[in-house]
Parts: sequence; structure tokens; C-alpha cells
Amino acid sequence: NAGVTQTPKFQVLKTGQSMTLQCAQDMNHEYMSWYRQDPGMGLRLIHYSVGAGITDQGEVPNGYNVSRSTTEDFPLRLLSAAPSQTSVYFCASSYEGRTSGANVLTFGAGSRLTVL
Amino acid sequence: GDSVTQMEGPVTLSEEAFLTINCTYTATGYPSLFWYVQYPGEGLQLLLKATKADDKGSNKGFEATYRKETTSFHLEKGSVQVSDSAVYFCALTVSGGYNKLIFGAGTRLAVHP
Repeated sequence: NAGVTQTPKFQVLKTGQSMTLQCAQDMNHEYMSWYRQDPGMGLRLIHYSVGAGITDQGEVPNGYNVSRSTTEDFPLRLLSAAPSQTSVYFCASSYEGRTSGANVLTFGAGSRLTVL
Repeated sequence: GDSVTQMEGPVTLSEEAFLTINCTYTATGYPSLFWYVQYPGEGLQLLLKATKADDKGSNKGFEATYRKETTSFHLEKGSVQVSDSAVYFCALTVSGGYNKLIFGAGTRLAVHP
């Protein structure tokens, strides 16, 4: 059981370049989300999805796009990278319910992005 | 809006010392509360949780009690080990559901032999 898989682990971009961070989960979780982690600020929610075809903005959505065409995949797109987007990005998935594992986020290992 | 405040780190302890990491929150409604831990080079993983007032979450010797009257969820461990060195995040569920979380800034713990 792979859990949540993120690629790439490391990426360096130049300002203005575009790229996609990939996220896949094999647990059939309905909810998926993207967070960014910055020093002294904890994790902040960028975008989230409550099912295939349904996405919404989080706390810091500007500069990022998402889509969810399947239950398994939730890519994060940077259309024109800026130095302010230098960060570590985490994808997470979860499901809602009353079991012990419900309502708990499972995180990927993270993707470290540097924008020069 | 909802928020989480954690004590600033780093916290440096000797092995077998007592650990407390303070966490207080502001929230509308009745959030669930979580402690996540991040070991070096890894993603976050759930350490413990509590879903209602007076619940105590516990795991791996760590404990935290959901205190509604003081809006707190302090993390404690009676005897830390070198392997506990990590960054600890307090978090709460955002009102409106969908398992969205608000995180504190994180507290780095370093345990020395």
C-alpha cells in the first residue's frame, strides 16, 4: 500500500516557468488537498478537493491551479512560477466517517520547490 | 477566524526529561484537535487526536487533553528519547468540514543523549 505519492521530490525553476507537482493516492480517499510549508508559518492550505471533478480554494490559492479528473490523482500546477512560491509542498488525502482512521490526513513525503 | 498558536522552539532536552509543548486555539464551533509529527526529511504523520472536550489522545507515550475551558491542547511526554527529535505541529479542523486543517507554526524538539 503506497499511500500518498508525490513527484518530484526536488525541483528548481526559473521565474516565469511552469510546472506540475503530481500527487496520487491508492486508498480510495474522497478528500485530497495541497499545503505549503514555510518556516515559522506551519502548513497553509492551497487548494482542496472533495471528490472527482470538485475543487475549491484554500487559504493561499493565488498562483496555483488544480484539477481532479480521477479519485486517485490531484496535480498542482504553477503557471508562472515566482520566488514567493519557493516552499515545500505537501499533498494529503483523507476520508470522512466514524472509524478510527477517518477524518485524519495522510501526507505525502513532500516536494521541495525552489524558484530562482 | 480560526487559528492555532504553539510555543516557539526549538526545545532542547536531555534524554528522559519531561516534555511539554503548549498549544492554544481559537475556533468557531467544536473542532477536532490534532498533533502531527514530522521527522527529518519526511512528511507529517498523525501522532494523536481528540474530537471533543475532555477527550485525551495518546500514542507512543505522548498525551494531550482537549481543554475547552482554556482552549488548549498541550502535548506531554513523561520521558523523551533521542528518537523523539522532530518538529511537532498542533492543528484543528476548519469549520465547514472536508477535513481541512489549520496548523500552528510547529515546534522543533531536539533530544540529546
